[in-house]
Amino acid sequence: GAVVSQHPSRVICKSGTSVKIECRSLDFQATTMFWYRQFPKQSLMLMATSNEGSKATYEQGVEKDKFLINHASLTLSTLTVTSAHPEDSSFYICSAWGLAGETQYFGPGTRLLVL
Amino acid sequence: AQSVTQLGSHVSVSEGALVLLRCNYSSSVPPYLFWYVQYPNQGLQLLLKYTSAATLVKGINGFEAEFKKSETSFHLTKPSAHMSDAAEYFCAVTGGSSGDKLTFGTGTRLAVRP
Repeated sequence: GAVVSQHPSRVICKSGTSVKIECRSLDFQATTMFWYRQFPKQSLMLMATSNEGSKATYEQGVEKDKFLINHASLTLSTLTVTSAHPEDSSFYICSAWGLAGETQYFGPGTRLLVL
Repeated sequence: AQSVTQLGSHVSVSEGALVLLRCNYSSSVPPYLFWYVQYPNQGLQLLLKYTSAATLVKGINGFEAEFKKSETSFHLTKPSAHMSDAAEYFCAVTGGSSGDKLTFGTGTRLAVRP
């Protein structure tokens, strides 16, 4: 199946700094990617839909100025957590639909810890 | 709009026993349904999917699920549990169109006793 990668897998940062997470589709082009957030022992919460060449679509309650999304190419979307605070600590997962459009493939996730 | 409900946040079975994880869906359009598995500190791996073809869907690792429209269900089963099946399982639904966002259930943690 299609492969989606994320980098970094883990990141620890100080409160107030910004952190960038990359999501790449390795063997296919993805015009649309999704960013999810998962708190411990909870389900995935969709944060935003990342569209190549246009602005991301954010879910209700997600601050677009805090979670900046850039989908600059057909294989790369980035999520930047700006001015991170401890409450932003979470597991962030990206995904993309495969070529046939019937299966959504997920990255391995990025664990963010804000001190 | 679509939604899924997973009954039972925790399920525990003995090794070799039947695994049954329940998922009921709600959708205003013909749905696509998915089961994903998540191991600790990892992303989601697709187990199987229903996309309006055969109602009995076979997936990886011996899992299968049956789409029952009359019951709005898509329960996941495996005849004989292995220790390696212990993980978190998520049912998800989308509206059947390419590019639609997935809506996830709250997940079921499966424990397998020796």
